[in-house]
Amino acid sequence: DTGVSQNPRHKITKRGQNVTFRCDPISEHNRLYWYRQTLGQGPEFLTYFQNEAQLEKSRLLSDRFSAERPKGSFSTLEIQRTEQGDSAMYLCASSLRLAGGQGEQFFGPGTRLTVL
Amino acid sequence: AQSVTQLGSHVSVSEGALVLLRCNYSSSVPPYLFWYVQYPNQGLQLLLKYTTGATLVKGINGFEAEFKKSETSFHLTKPSAHMSDAAEYFCAVSAGGTSYGKLTFGQGTILTVHP
Repeated sequence: DTGVSQNPRHKITKRGQNVTFRCDPISEHNRLYWYRQTLGQGPEFLTYFQNEAQLEKSRLLSDRFSAERPKGSFSTLEIQRTEQGDSAMYLCASSLRLAGGQGEQFFGPGTRLTVL
Repeated sequence: AQSVTQLGSHVSVSEGALVLLRCNYSSSVPPYLFWYVQYPNQGLQLLLKYTTGATLVKGINGFEAEFKKSETSFHLTKPSAHMSDAAEYFCAVSAGGTSYGKLTFGQGTILTVHP
């Protein structure tokens, strides 16, 4: 399967713990996005990478959140000192930047985080 | 800045009936518009998109949508609902052209199909 993959699919943690999620995009895609989806809401943009450069971060991304894409391939999203309000589905998407435009974003299955 | 409003958080139809899911958008620049479907515990799958050109766009599974600039709408339709269409549907907008494509989503519409 050459789609976007995310690991783990589910994560349960206690408040105050750190968690890290991984996203493996489609191999030739140079853009990678993170979104967060809470129950009953649409996904909200968190951040995006063009190759290894993180080019925009949403105001939703507090100082406890950090994302990396060290070699322009996979990406990690870390949440430090988790809070119950961090409970959500974290979605990753990737796309191929086209000359003069945008490519379709392909989404992974998401990582569901539950903070107890 | 962009925003999306989906009218109706729940829509219920009978199998074989017309499906109409409403989406209105706001955008300060020419928009790109999308409809995604999400099945339980799965990621988002693109149904169709409007970028430029023909305002009536056809997507997968028999869905289509029409971009109406004057009404700032991008409603999703399907002539005849199938049980397999039951899912949550999201309308999304991004700034068009050479922007990087950040998507702004609506709150979603859950479609229920009755036998």
